[in-house]
Amino acid sequence: TQLLEQSPQFLSIQEGENLTVYCNSSSVFSSLQWYRQEPGEGPVLLVTVVTGGEVKKLKRLTFQFGDARKDSSLHITAAQPGDTGLYLCAAGGTSYGKLTFGQGTILTVHP
Amino acid sequence: GAGVSQSPSNKVTEKGKDVELRCDPISGHTALYWYRQRLGQGLEFLIYFQGNSAPDKSGLPSDRFSAERTGESVSTLTIQRTQQEDSAVYLCASSLAWGPNEKLFFGSGTQLSVL
Repeated sequence: TQLLEQSPQFLSIQEGENLTVYCNSSSVFSSLQWYRQEPGEGPVLLVTVVTGGEVKKLKRLTFQFGDARKDSSLHITAAQPGDTGLYLCAAGGTSYGKLTFGQGTILTVHP
Repeated sequence: GAGVSQSPSNKVTEKGKDVELRCDPISGHTALYWYRQRLGQGLEFLIYFQGNSAPDKSGLPSDRFSAERTGESVSTLTIQRTQQEDSAVYLCASSLAWGPNEKLFFGSGTQLSVL
């Protein structure tokens, strides 16, 4: 069973600051997804990375997949209050449909 | 429909009662997934359907949990003889096809509270 560890678990910052969230495992992933979830809603997919070393950018968000496909990071530049939410990483393995999720990082951006 | 729809949005029940949670996936999506999310935690995989069949039921916590899907559409998750530890948000998701890189679309979940 793949185990995903996210850090930090909680992050409280001021508007305009930069931040990085990490997702790590001892297992190799076939792919990794990042989701954002707001209270009372289901997670919404932000990005999928599949190639070791891959970097994807989504406006102020930068996602990186480790060369060995065991870790990933999400970097947010100049955070805004609208970025507040729960950020989840999820890994796909050999069993299709059975995504393994990390515990999540609760991000709060204060105006 | 426009998105994944789950009902009820909230369910309060007494310990020992049975509950049924419903999921309407996006029209045309062949794969459907059920996850459970306890307060402050990540998502725990329960079961997924490829069409109407469920190849992997290993995530169901106990034999009190069962799920079915009919007509490659609506799915129902049933919890029998509910226990307090069953309290959680139950999330349903669907995807166009099934595969490791498929984009999952989630519903807003059913908040289940067992008193």
